[in-house]
Amino acid sequence: SQQGEEDPQALSIQEGENATMNCSYKTSINNLQWYRQNSGRGLVHLILIRSNEREKHSGRLRVTLDTSKKSSSLLITASRAADTASYFCATVASNTGKLIFGQGTTLQVKP
Amino acid sequence: DAGVTQSPTHLIKTRGQHVTLRCSPISGHKSVSWYQQVLGQGPQFIFQYYEKEERGRGNFPDRFSARQFPNYSSELNVNALLLGDSALYLCASSLAGGRTQETQYFGPGTRLLVL
Repeated sequence: SQQGEEDPQALSIQEGENATMNCSYKTSINNLQWYRQNSGRGLVHLILIRSNEREKHSGRLRVTLDTSKKSSSLLITASRAADTASYFCATVASNTGKLIFGQGTTLQVKP
Repeated sequence: DAGVTQSPTHLIKTRGQHVTLRCSPISGHKSVSWYQQVLGQGPQFIFQYYEKEERGRGNFPDRFSARQFPNYSSELNVNALLLGDSALYLCASSLAGGRTQETQYFGPGTRLLVL
């Protein structure tokens, strides 16, 4: 079963705008990861944030984690058409160690 | 260095048949995990293997089985295929298989269609 719920399910923006995706989860976690998937192919790991971290940056990506609210957000700044993809959050449950994915957010960046 | 490789890339089977999917992890990675991704949904965890032993199993029926070989490659077997088994099957490798689940590196997937 899916642990995370992502919001919005779909997002369409213009090139140069920022895109924000949110993820909520249910159980205690070790870490939370964000992945990108292009056209139904393999997933690419973007960033990992540990349960004791609140914010992390990687290039144009900024991830926040609020363990009290069991939520995370992914911000992509200055979006490009090449950012068009599906984005998934995945949590590692503390009790099972399994990687559980959310339903994903489909991002379309219009040139 | 080669990434995670999977074969075949596409497969068409009929109901009741069985299928074997193959995965080769990144060199040096000892853990392989399998995921099923149905269209429009996120990947769902099927199995994790580390050092040839099963480390975790998702909520899938016994028709699904897997194994890991001494060279750390892995096979996923599905028996008595159902229409609902149609999906993208993803393999991911990681250095270790601990509970902290460090970054996983995914292969391109095998797209299975069951008719």
